[in-house]
Amino acid sequence: DQQVKQNSPSLSVQEGRISILNCDYTNSMFDYFLWYKKYPAEGPTFLISISSIKDKNEDGRFTVFLNKSAKHLSLHIVPSQPGDSAVYFCAASAETGGGADGLTFGKGTHLIIQP
Amino acid sequence: DVKVTQSSRYLVKRTGEKVFLECVQDMDHENMFWYRQDPGLGLRLIYFSYDVKMKEKGDIPEGYSVSREKKERFSLILESASTNQTSMYLCATSAGYSNQPQHFGDGTRLSIL
Repeated sequence: DQQVKQNSPSLSVQEGRISILNCDYTNSMFDYFLWYKKYPAEGPTFLISISSIKDKNEDGRFTVFLNKSAKHLSLHIVPSQPGDSAVYFCAASAETGGGADGLTFGKGTHLIIQP
Repeated sequence: DVKVTQSSRYLVKRTGEKVFLECVQDMDHENMFWYRQDPGLGLRLIYFSYDVKMKEKGDIPEGYSVSREKKERFSLILESASTNQTSMYLCATSAGYSNQPQHFGDGTRLSIL
C-alpha cells in the first residue's frame, strides 16, 4: 500500500517555464511534508518543506502548496533552469514528537528541463 | 552546513558475508536513519535511532541490524549478506525536535555477489 504517490515518473519542461510536480498521500496522520532533489550518484538534497498548519510555503524559485482536504501537494519551480534537471522526491511524516520519525517517500519524478 | 559522511561510496561483498556500513555526522543531531533506494521503489526506511543505544525498526528491517554507540555514528549491519540486499544505502540525520528536515549523505552503492 503506497502511502505517498507521485504518479508522473517523468516530466519535461522548457527552460524558463514553470515546472509543477505533484504528490498525493493517503495517510491522514501525515502532518509534515518535504521535497527533495536528487542527482545521480548523490544523496537527496532537501529543498523545501511545509507543515500541515500551512497551505503554502515559498523559498526563492520554489513554492510548495498543500491541499489537506484533497491530500495533495505540489512543488512549483519558476522559472525552470537547466540545473533543475534531477529526480524529485516527495516525502511525508506523521510527527510523534522529537522529530524521530522516518520519512515515507514517493517513487520520484524525473524532471527534465529542455533548453 | 550539515555534513553526513558515509564511509564508502562503492562496496562489493560476497553472499553470506557480514557487512558494515558506517555513517558519521558532525551536527550533533539526535536522530539518525538508514534507508535503501531501489529503482522504481523510491527510498524505504530500514532502521532509525533517536538517541545513543536506542534503535527503532523502520518499514523493511528484515536482514539488517544497527548500532549506535556514539551520538555521531550510526552503523548498519547486514548479518549475512544476500543478493537481494544489493542496493543504494543512504544515511540521514535530523535535529531532535519537530518538523525538521532530514539531511542525507551521498550513499553507499553496495553490490552482493
